[in-house]
Amino acid sequence: QVQLLQSGTEVKKPGASVKLSCRTSGFTFSAYYVHWVRQAPGQGLEWMGIINPTGVPTNYAQNFQGRVVMTSDTSTNTVYLELNSLRSEDSATYFCARGVPLTSGFDYWGQGTLVTVSS
Amino acid sequence: DIVLTQSPVTLSLSPGERATLSCRASQSVGSDLAWYQQSPGQPPRLLIYDASNRATGIPARFSGSGSGTDFTLTISSVEPEDFAIYYCQARMKWLWPFGQGTKVEFK
Repeated sequence: QVQLLQSGTEVKKPGASVKLSCRTSGFTFSAYYVHWVRQAPGQGLEWMGIINPTGVPTNYAQNFQGRVVMTSDTSTNTVYLELNSLRSEDSATYFCARGVPLTSGFDYWGQGTLVTVSS
Repeated sequence: DIVLTQSPVTLSLSPGERATLSCRASQSVGSDLAWYQQSPGQPPRLLIYDASNRATGIPARFSGSGSGTDFTLTISSVEPEDFAIYYCQARMKWLWPFGQGTKVEFK
């Protein structure tokens, strides 16, 4: 069955970087895009960006340009999200989700990773 | 950038009533719109994709309609498990923004 398994809780200080992972299984890794979405406590969903696991294309939401890097490892079917220069407003749950090419909608989601940024 | 505006912010209903949720896009997205349901502590669940197609396993009481800039999610008869937050999301030019959400609460 399709699964997206995310790495565990992170606690970081302001200014630091965090790298989250999303290990996928149960489908052809190269045939689907993976998106990252975050949700601050009590807030709505915020789309961060998309990665094609084969490498091209990748696109980031304007709010994160210059601060985020999404990468993939085809040998382990894993995608990564690195967010730099963390600030308290980056405290949120981060989700990875599978996107089906040529359609709207993300059909499978990871369980989420909680990131807390605090001095 | 495209902006999605959902209304109402909160919808108070009793089980068995009909729910009508709206999503308006600041520019046309054609039929590239999806709807999600999110319950507390859970990731979102895809309900509708491409404006009107139910995702796998989604009950028939959920339906989506619309195109261009105006979209509607309808729950024909609300069940107790449907009290949750609903988000719309568009796909446009390699961007996938979300609306701010509509909370369906128990009246």
